[in-house]
Amino acid sequence: KNQVEQSPQSLIILEGKNCTLQCNYTVSPFSNLRWYKQDTGRGPVSLTIMTFSENTKSNGRYTATLDADTKQSSLHITASQLSDSASYICVVMGGSYIPTFGRGTSLIVHP
Amino acid sequence: GAGVSQSPSNKVTEKGKDVELRCDPISGHTALYWYRQSLGQGLEFLIYFQGNSAPDKSGLPSDRFSAERTGGSVSTLTIQRTQQEDSAVYLCASSIRVSALTDTQYFGPGTRLTVL
Repeated sequence: KNQVEQSPQSLIILEGKNCTLQCNYTVSPFSNLRWYKQDTGRGPVSLTIMTFSENTKSNGRYTATLDADTKQSSLHITASQLSDSASYICVVMGGSYIPTFGRGTSLIVHP
Repeated sequence: GAGVSQSPSNKVTEKGKDVELRCDPISGHTALYWYRQSLGQGLEFLIYFQGNSAPDKSGLPSDRFSAERTGGSVSTLTIQRTQQEDSAVYLCASSIRVSALTDTQYFGPGTRLTVL
């Protein structure tokens, strides 16, 4: 069964600090992996997408990594800001057009 | 419009009533998805429309759920005889469908459904 597991479930950090969120998946075959940011009361917004041949992708202060051999991905946030407080969702697309979603990591950035 | 819109933003209903949720995708997007997001759970796929093809209904949890897409644009998700376990946020997403596997899905803000 295709699964996407994320850790930690929740995370609290101080403004300005860095953090790393983890995603492990068992989706096969593998097409691509996305990280989404979901603000409270909003729909998810795509941050990065990585295909099999890519092992890192940056979008501003967000850097995603992918290890397709171990089926692991991480999302690193640098110099966190209050606006980074949100849920971060890892989504894996396999051989069909139906994605598999993780449950998300809830990040709270305190001033 | 500038993005995917959904209405209503909130819906409170009584158990046993029918509800209709609406999604307006981005103009020109041929693919449309409905998802359900329950508290503490990941997004759950419900149904997928692509152009004039027959929709993929494999994610619908029961025959109380149905969806239509008129004219390849607006979509309506209908839940009949609502139950308390139907309470969730229902999200709609659309994509342009150049490549189904790498297309970016653009999500609406969702409809929060509460069944009393």
